[in-house]
Amino acid sequence: DSGVTQTPKHLITATGQRVTLRCSPRSGDLSVYWYQQSLDQGLQFLIQYYNGEERAKGNILERFSAQQFPDLHSELNLSSLELGDSALYFCASSAAGTMNTEAFFGQGTRLTVV
Amino acid sequence: GQNIDQPTEMTATEGAIVQINCTYQTSGFNGLFWYQQHAGEAPTFLSYNVLDGLEEKGRFSSFLSRSKGYSYLLLKELQMKDSASYLCAALGGTSGSARQLTFGSGTQLTVLP
Repeated sequence: DSGVTQTPKHLITATGQRVTLRCSPRSGDLSVYWYQQSLDQGLQFLIQYYNGEERAKGNILERFSAQQFPDLHSELNLSSLELGDSALYFCASSAAGTMNTEAFFGQGTRLTVV
Repeated sequence: GQNIDQPTEMTATEGAIVQINCTYQTSGFNGLFWYQQHAGEAPTFLSYNVLDGLEEKGRFSSFLSRSKGYSYLLLKELQMKDSASYLCAALGGTSGSARQLTFGSGTQLTVLP
């Protein structure tokens, strides 16, 4: 158990809908990272938050947004969902704000868009 | 731009040694990660190299050559539980929001008895 909690574990929704994925980092970790893992594109870095502020941005679509709250949990919002958004979404956390450090991954949320 | 290449699949025998190679092209290179991912599970951190050379951690070692854009993960005394996907990831970008962590597609290692 990495100490990172993601909910829900599974989510099935229809195209065009909006969903929110939630992540609670390890106790004491200030950084939260979001990743998308699909069969055809592998693991892709989406975005990083550090202590409530956006720190780094990867290949995140404009339809996607994230935020980190004062209690350091984070939410990833996916809107206008398309079939291609079906993937495993991982959250990871680390103590530091820099990315050159070990990150601990949650078990992921499997999103299926039908 | 960012580009990571690693073999798609490898097979080795229990007790043997296997080397998984990774080449990268990353602007503003700032380090190379290796992660292990068992099927259906989350990735787990194995190593991070930012300086040239070999870093050993138990049965696993990781090597980096910055001038060649090359890294490898060496697994010794292979065990069946080492069957997993091994992900190479390069950290690039200048700073702040420009930071990028780019993953390779992973090398699926199968350890045979």
